[in-house]
Parts: sequence; C-alpha cells; structure tokens
Amino acid sequence: AQSVTQLGSHVSVSEGALVLLRCNYSSSVPPYLFWYVQYPNQGLQLLLKYTSAATLVKGINGFEAEFKKSETSFHLTKPSAHMSDAAEYFCAVSGNTNAGKSTFGDGTTLTVKP
Amino acid sequence: KAGVTQTPRYLIKTRGQQVTLSCSPISGHRSVSWYQQTPGQGLQFLFEYFSETQRNKGNFPGRFSGRQFSNSRSEMNVSTLELGDSALYLCASSTGTSGITDTQYFGPGTRLTVL
Repeated sequence: AQSVTQLGSHVSVSEGALVLLRCNYSSSVPPYLFWYVQYPNQGLQLLLKYTSAATLVKGINGFEAEFKKSETSFHLTKPSAHMSDAAEYFCAVSGNTNAGKSTFGDGTTLTVKP
Repeated sequence: KAGVTQTPRYLIKTRGQQVTLSCSPISGHRSVSWYQQTPGQGLQFLFEYFSETQRNKGNFPGRFSGRQFSNSRSEMNVSTLELGDSALYLCASSTGTSGITDTQYFGPGTRLTVL
C-alpha cells in the first residue's frame, strides 16, 4: 500500500521568494514519486518525477525536488516564485512498476503575492 | 504529438440518469486511467485499463464502469447518477509498460454536474 501526505493545504509566498511545498510518502516498495500542477479548470501537468536515477530531480518551470529516503520525503522547491506559479500542486506516488495507478495527496494551493 | 483528449468537457445530468465519458489517449499509449476529483475527497483513482483489460481498480461502487477499445480509446460509464457524483473526471494515459519511462499524461477533464 502507498500513500502521500502533503503538509499545508495552502502556502502563500511573495513574488521572488523561495517556494517550498512538502510531501511525505509511504510505500511498501521502492516508489515512483511525482509532482503535478493544476491550473483552474484544467487537467494535471507533470512537473517532475523521481525514478531512483538521482535523488535531486529537476523539472519544468524551474522546479526541483529532492528524494530523501531516510525522511520519506519528496519536497518541491523553486528558488524564486513567479506570479504564474499560483496553482494547486499535487504529490503522487506509484508503487507499481508502472504509473497506471497513482495515489495522490490532497494538494497544496500556492498563492503568490506581488 | 497530440495530447490526451476528453469529451465532452462539460455535462449536466439529473439524478438517476446515466452518463458516458470518453477519453482518447496519446498515440502509442496503451494504458488509460480514470480519476475522480472533488473538493471533499480530492483525487481518487477509479480504474485503469491496459490493452482492453481492466488492470487496476479503485474503491468505487459498481455503478462506475469502464471499457477500452482496440485503439486504446476508453469510455467511463456512471449509472444511476447521484448528487455526490458531481466532480471533475480526469483521464490519464501512459505507455503501460514497466520501467522508469512510464509517466501519466492527463487530459483536461470532464466536469460533470448532477442536479
């Protein structure tokens, strides 16, 4: 069984500030971990994924995440927030060898203040 | 390469009716997964089809069913609609094969409103 917990349903940062969105996972097998972003009335867009090739994963739009097995965490960061980053972010885990059945966290809404 | 498409984008139904949603995956993808997204329950996995067979199933009642055709297009059906079925239904496609290359790509969703 696998699960993810996203800490903080709402995060607010100022434009240009560091973005940190937290995700902890639980998986009985080596996990595949994902971060997605969802803009209003749209589907999910993949930001990045961890597949055990490297613990620091770089994604699109300047986002990156670090896999820490000892802390069972996969936090998402971006050095400098932009207004266009305002959206809802989801962490997901897939314990299978394929991504067909993913378990999602509850989501974190990121607000960026000017 | 065209992305995942879902039709229709919006639907309004009344309680007791049934509804069919359609999803066309990315060309070459053989796996199609369906998710229900609601404000209260978040994103919940419904089922996954791979090569016309249901491979994974979530914890939804039998009113929710699906199928996949030989061209990998998938349909999802909900019978005897309830108010609680109002949600955004998302479809995602992937290659369906094991390994690090497998990634889900999501469609824009179908917004179902049950009155």
